[in-house]
Amino acid sequence: AQSVAQPEDQVNVAEGNPLTVKCTYSVSGNPYLFWYVQYPNRGLQFLLKYITGDNLVKGSYGFEAEFNKSQTSFHLKKPSALVSDSALYFCAVRASNTGRRALTFGSGTRLQVQP
Amino acid sequence: GAGVSQSPRYKVAKRGQDVALRCDPISGHVSLFWYQQALGQGPEFLTYFQNEAQLDKSGLPSDRFFAERPEGSVSTLKIQRTQQEDSAVYLCASSLNWGSLNEQFFGPGTRLTVL
Repeated sequence: AQSVAQPEDQVNVAEGNPLTVKCTYSVSGNPYLFWYVQYPNRGLQFLLKYITGDNLVKGSYGFEAEFNKSQTSFHLKKPSALVSDSALYFCAVRASNTGRRALTFGSGTRLQVQP
Repeated sequence: GAGVSQSPRYKVAKRGQDVALRCDPISGHVSLFWYQQALGQGPEFLTYFQNEAQLDKSGLPSDRFFAERPEGSVSTLKIQRTQQEDSAVYLCASSLNWGSLNEQFFGPGTRLTVL
């Protein structure tokens, strides 16, 4: 079975400071990893994905994530946080070696950026 | 349309009523997914379709849940004899291709409240 852990329910950071939202995963074989963001009353929006290749993935709105196979992690990062980044962030995984196409999501991390 | 749309956005049902939730995917998207998101949790997979074929329904919680996509476009998730534990946001997502690694695009969801 595959699973995702987001150990922090909430992350607080001051505007302009770097931010990190943590994600670890468990999956059989190589993972496909995704980050989504959810704003109130809106659907999940895709930020970035790791499929293969370079461990540092760059995505929308200045976000990036680093795939670490040995630590089974895929932490989301941004060098300088904006107040508008405040939202709910979800990490998701899919196994690459099965026919199952569904994503398994973590429980989410609420990011609060203070002005 | 430009994105995935869902209707209704909000639905209140009395326990025991049947409900039908509609999803209009992005035009041309082959794959369609349904997820259930309970309050404070990440989305959990229910079922998915490739065109009109329902290829995985392993996430449906009981036989009261039924999904269809008869013409390979619009999909309907039906819940019979609703129970209070069915209260959640139901998310629909679509993806361009079956075999590719395209990301899933999510609709805004239908918030179902069962009284």
